Amino acid sequence: AQSVAQPEDQVNVAEGNPLTVKCTYSVSGNPYLFWYVQYPNRGLQFLLKYITGDNLVKGSYGFEAEFNKSQTSFHLKKPSALVSDSALYFCAVRDTVTGTYKYIFGTGTRLKVLA
Amino acid sequence: ETGVTQTPRHLVMGMTNKKSLKCEQHLGHNAMYWYKQSAKKPLELMFVYSLEERVENNSVPSRFSPECPNSSHLFLHLHTLQPEDSALYLCASSQGGAGGEAFFGQGTRLTVV
Repeated sequence: AQSVAQPEDQVNVAEGNPLTVKCTYSVSGNPYLFWYVQYPNRGLQFLLKYITGDNLVKGSYGFEAEFNKSQTSFHLKKPSALVSDSALYFCAVRDTVTGTYKYIFGTGTRLKVLA
Repeated sequence: ETGVTQTPRHLVMGMTNKKSLKCEQHLGHNAMYWYKQSAKKPLELMFVYSLEERVENNSVPSRFSPECPNSSHLFLHLHTLQPEDSALYLCASSQGGAGGEAFFGQGTRLTVV
């Protein structure tokens, strides 16, 4: 079955430091991977995706993610964290097996950037 | 704004009430989704519609009834809900093909009293 795992419930980082939010995946076939961010009482906002090609994907708000096939990982990164980056982050994989193309989300990682 | 609009933003209803959640997308997408987000729980997929046809019903109780009259509109009809149904209900849409990202609405915060 297609799935993603986010091993950390919460990540704390000091403002200005680099941040990493981890995601590993399990898929049959080619992975279609996504990162979303959610601010309190809001919907999810798309950050970036990996479909094919370059393993380093750049997205919105200075975020990037590194696709690593051998480690089945898709970690979200940012070189210098901002307090305003504090939010809930979700990794997702697209289900290409059942034909519904539904999005399967991880449990989320709460990022707290400390001033 | 993501192009996906949900109304109402907040809803309080009694267990014997009937209400509906509405979702509208102006992106020309052909797939729409309902997700439920409860505190301390993962996002739960409820329903998937593709080309106005329901393609997935994720073991959702019958007190939740979806309706997709056209590719731009999605409804979730609610009746005789339970307090544990209180959650943030999120609608999303996407274009066909595996590589497209989903666009989410702001959600409806539902409280069942």
